[in-house]
Amino acid sequence: GQQVMQIPQYQHVQEGEDFTTYCNSSTTLSNIQWYKQRPGGHPVFLIQLVKSGEVKKQKRLTFQFGEAKKNSSLHITATQTTDVGTYFCAGPDRDDKIIFGKGTRLHILP
Amino acid sequence: KAGVTQTPRYLIKTRGQQVTLSCSPISGHRSVSWYQQTPGQGLQFLFEYFSETQRNKGNFPGRFSGRQFSNSRSEMNVSTLELGDSALYLCASSVGHLSSYNEQFFGPGTRLTVL
Repeated sequence: GQQVMQIPQYQHVQEGEDFTTYCNSSTTLSNIQWYKQRPGGHPVFLIQLVKSGEVKKQKRLTFQFGEAKKNSSLHITATQTTDVGTYFCAGPDRDDKIIFGKGTRLHILP
Repeated sequence: KAGVTQTPRYLIKTRGQQVTLSCSPISGHRSVSWYQQTPGQGLQFLFEYFSETQRNKGNFPGRFSGRQFSNSRSEMNVSTLELGDSALYLCASSVGHLSSYNEQFFGPGTRLTVL
């Protein structure tokens, strides 16, 4: 079946360094969504990308959707301790069931 | 606007029992989806309800069922509980159904432990 892979699984960065997580789908996605889940919390919607090659920015966060609509990335510039959490990408399969990546857990070293 | 609420927040059951979890969506949201989150499998889609109809179901056994009421509140039932059903069960609501590219708002989840 369709798979959504995320790498890396874990990332430790020094506060102030940049961070990037990558999401790859085995099939073309109609759209991709990104969520953040803080430790002990629930997923919170960050953004949705729909168009091929789309780039969206939210303050220090930059989201990209690949030209083939099979991959996406989330880049955080100058990480802060508030960025700690797990970042998930998610997209619908051909039956509109939402498939989540396993997530990238970000740890910030002070 | 109040967020998505789920009850109970924590639950401990024994194998073989059944459990019912409840989810109240954001007012005006007609779609409710349920997910199971475990450390090993991550977030897995259980089902989506829209206007009291199940629109979609994930790859879970028939022991997992749900329903949605006319006020959009939803319940999820798991019968004959197994140890492997221990997980965080999350529900998410959206204005429209998932195929319409709608943002999902997650509730805090119900932590189910099966002993």
